[in-house]
Amino acid sequence: TQLLEQSPQFLSIQEGENLTVYCNSSSVFSSLQWYRQEPGEGPVLLVTVVTGGEVKKLKRLTFQFGDARKDSSLHITAAQPGDTGLYLCAGAQTSYDKVIFGPGTSLSVIP
Amino acid sequence: DAGVIQSPRHEVTEMGQEVTLRCKPISGHDYLFWYRQTMMRGLELLIYFNNNVPIDDSGMPEDRFSAKMPNASFSTLKIQPSEPRDSAVYFCASRSLWDTQYFGPGTRLTVL
Repeated sequence: TQLLEQSPQFLSIQEGENLTVYCNSSSVFSSLQWYRQEPGEGPVLLVTVVTGGEVKKLKRLTFQFGDARKDSSLHITAAQPGDTGLYLCAGAQTSYDKVIFGPGTSLSVIP
Repeated sequence: DAGVIQSPRHEVTEMGQEVTLRCKPISGHDYLFWYRQTMMRGLELLIYFNNNVPIDDSGMPEDRFSAKMPNASFSTLKIQPSEPRDSAVYFCASRSLWDTQYFGPGTRLTVL
């Protein structure tokens, strides 16, 4: 059974601070995705990582896939209030497989 | 494209009533997923279809839940009879094999 854990569960920071959230599993994934969900909306895909050790950048967001493809991190530099939301990681063992979601990290950036 | 469309956006019903949630996937997507999200359990996959055929329904909580996909542009999730513990936000999502998964806006269900 695939199981994804995320930490921290909740995070409240001041605007301008940096932060890192983590996604961990005992299973190997062929790909791992990060989503952001805002209140009242569905999750929106931010990035997909597929290669162990891969690093992707999306403006102030940096995503890393662990070498063993079991874990991932999301680093946000100089957080903005617009970054507030629920960050979900999701993994699949094959391209044909269903995607399993972690419990999420709820981020609040205070102006 | 309008994205994944779900209806209704909000549903309030009484225990024991039948509830039907509807989803129109993105045109050309051959995978359709139904999820349920609660504070306690997070985002759970209930069932998914490929080319209108149910592939994995292991996440469906019990026999009160059923899902159909009569054609490539429409799917329903039915709860009969509904119970208060079914209260949640239900999401539909669609994707093609090599594409990313797109979620609809969700249906917030409250069972009194």
